Amino acid sequence: DQQVKQNSPSLSVQEGRISILNCDYTNSMFDYFLWYKKYPAEGPTFLISISSIKDKNEDGRFTVFLNKSAKHLSLHIVPSQPGDSAVYFCAASKNYGQNFVFGPGTRLSVLP
Amino acid sequence: EAEVAQSPRYKITEKSQAVAFWCDPISGHATLYWYRQILGQGPELLVQFQDESVVDDSQLPKDRFSAERLKGVDSTLKIQPAELGDSAMYLCASTRQDYYEQYFGPGTRLTVT
Repeated sequence: DQQVKQNSPSLSVQEGRISILNCDYTNSMFDYFLWYKKYPAEGPTFLISISSIKDKNEDGRFTVFLNKSAKHLSLHIVPSQPGDSAVYFCAASKNYGQNFVFGPGTRLSVLP
Repeated sequence: EAEVAQSPRYKITEKSQAVAFWCDPISGHATLYWYRQILGQGPELLVQFQDESVVDDSQLPKDRFSAERLKGVDSTLKIQPAELGDSAMYLCASTRQDYYEQYFGPGTRLTVT
């Protein structure tokens, strides 16, 4: 039973355009969400987080939107850069930071 | 910038052999996690430590896996005996008290033949 889903295994975007990565979850008890980026042969790197009391969090080129009623969050990267090419994982937690559950990841390719 | 250290980076072992992985978290990080990541999937939590105590090991296959963090600093994850299905990336992460963002090490890629 996959509690965190990332239904697009891969996504290709032109450099300078917007990248939108989606994540859906099934457990309404999740109250904290993280996005991680992973390059090959490296561990995941934290990108941005959002608490369930917010619907948007922004950090530079990265914005995360949370729609609790739809149990959906998305990561927007604007403008996309070739260095953003990586696998992006969505992770969700109950109890604010305990026991994160990760999605399967979306591979983003930003084409020059 | 402080990093989570893991060794070895790569390990090839034959099935039924024992294998061990080591993790040194960022200094001062009280919480340490071991994850397993199978290719094409997200990291799956195996065990979580708070200082030297196990907080959650519900997903750890305890018949063959063991983990310890004796002095509340570095940690070792052991598999004995290894099985073909254990081939995966084993990731260690740590976090500061009351913070949620986990800092990951580079992982150990295990191949069981």
